[in-house]
Amino acid sequence: EADIYQTPRYLVIGTGKKITLECSQTMGHDKMYWYQQDPGMELHLIHYSYGVNSTEKGDLSSESTVSRIRTEHFPLTLESARPSHTSQYLCASSPAGSANTGELFFGEGSRLTVL
Amino acid sequence: GEDVEQSLFLSVREGDSSVINCTYTDSSSTYLYWYKQEPGAGLQLLTYIFSNMDMKQDQRLTVLLNKKDKHLSLRIADTQTGDSAIYFCAERKAGTALIFGKGTTLSVSS
Repeated sequence: EADIYQTPRYLVIGTGKKITLECSQTMGHDKMYWYQQDPGMELHLIHYSYGVNSTEKGDLSSESTVSRIRTEHFPLTLESARPSHTSQYLCASSPAGSANTGELFFGEGSRLTVL
Repeated sequence: GEDVEQSLFLSVREGDSSVINCTYTDSSSTYLYWYKQEPGAGLQLLTYIFSNMDMKQDQRLTVLLNKKDKHLSLRIADTQTGDSAIYFCAERKAGTALIFGKGTTLSVSS
């Protein structure tokens, strides 16, 4: 059983509000990721981190920002939420090292609705 | 192509075999994966195959890999109603995170 947790699971919020989606993992994984998933669409990588103080933007441009101050924590922030940000956000982690299979361990997701 | 391609829907009867197909993008991808997503949940790894293998079997699951055609398939034998979910194909390209397809929704009727 993977030990990666996301909060909140569901969030409904008004336009213009600042929101932070939390993601924590207790596996000591160096690599962490945020994917955005819309219904019937593939997962799009929006941010990733290969270690503390390392963050990169993914393939899909996003107005969100992330930080990685601690290994276990990778929060995602939207400064001013808009209806176009309505989506499911999935956090994942994986161990570093070429010997690993590259498997990602996913949280259960945060479903964000912006009114 | 640039995208990992999957058919979007598959409907089968309980007890039949299900075959979900995927075309990936990069012949140099080292690992290929099948993930399962149940309603309201995150993705969970079902199985993976290393690129130097042609086939991998794990209980009711059989993965076939055709590197020449960049084609991956997942066969579920004796499909059960509990297998109803969305199945994602993914590839691991060198130096990148996993690239996912759009997912195939498997519907199993009794």
